[in-house]
Amino acid sequence: EVQLVESGGGLVQPGRSLRLSCTTSGFTFGDRALSWFRQAPGKGLEWVSFIRSRASGGTTEYAASVKGRFTISRDDSNSIAYLEMNSLKTEDSAVYYCARWIGGSYRTLDYWGQGTLVTVSS
Amino acid sequence: DIQMTQSPSSVSASIGDRITITCRASQGISNWLVWYQQKPGRAPKLLIYAASTLMGGVPSRFGGSGSGTDFTLTISSLQPEDFATYYCQQTLTFPFTFGPGTNVDIK
Repeated sequence: EVQLVESGGGLVQPGRSLRLSCTTSGFTFGDRALSWFRQAPGKGLEWVSFIRSRASGGTTEYAASVKGRFTISRDDSNSIAYLEMNSLKTEDSAVYYCARWIGGSYRTLDYWGQGTLVTVSS
Repeated sequence: DIQMTQSPSSVSASIGDRITITCRASQGISNWLVWYQQKPGRAPKLLIYAASTLMGGVPSRFGGSGSGTDFTLTISSLQPEDFATYYCQQTLTFPFTFGPGTNVDIK
């Protein structure tokens, strides 16, 4: 069974840092790209970041709103993806989801974690 | 960036009703359009990818169509478990962008 479990959320002051983890199981992690999304309370979904598989270069993509502040990475040996968030702003407050990407003729995110809440407040 | 719009923003419907949600992209995205269902406090659930392909396990009352810039999600006979918010998303290019969502609630 494919599972993705986010962790690491919490209350943090503006300007501080937080690292989110996406721990996965049930599939060959190293073969898949992964992505992070977020959803502010009562708002819609927003794509945050994407990391390709090592076979595809392991390259990354970022939303303009987080570029230069957030860093996505992956640990293929432990099947975990990370989102390092620096210089946090109040507008970064949201539930953060990780999701598994399936490319080719699918080009979609087929499995999502349950989310972890990040609250940026003084 | 590709902008995604959805209409209506909300719809009130009864069990058994047929409803259609429209999604429009600001530029052509071929068929790289995904539909998700989201219930309060839950993660999005993939319903349809590549504009019209039903994800495994999704009931056949859900259907998707369209190509280019205009897409639709149809629920042929609304069931109690279908009351939720529905989002479209383009996956042609980064940044992946979502429509603002359509809330389907009980009339």
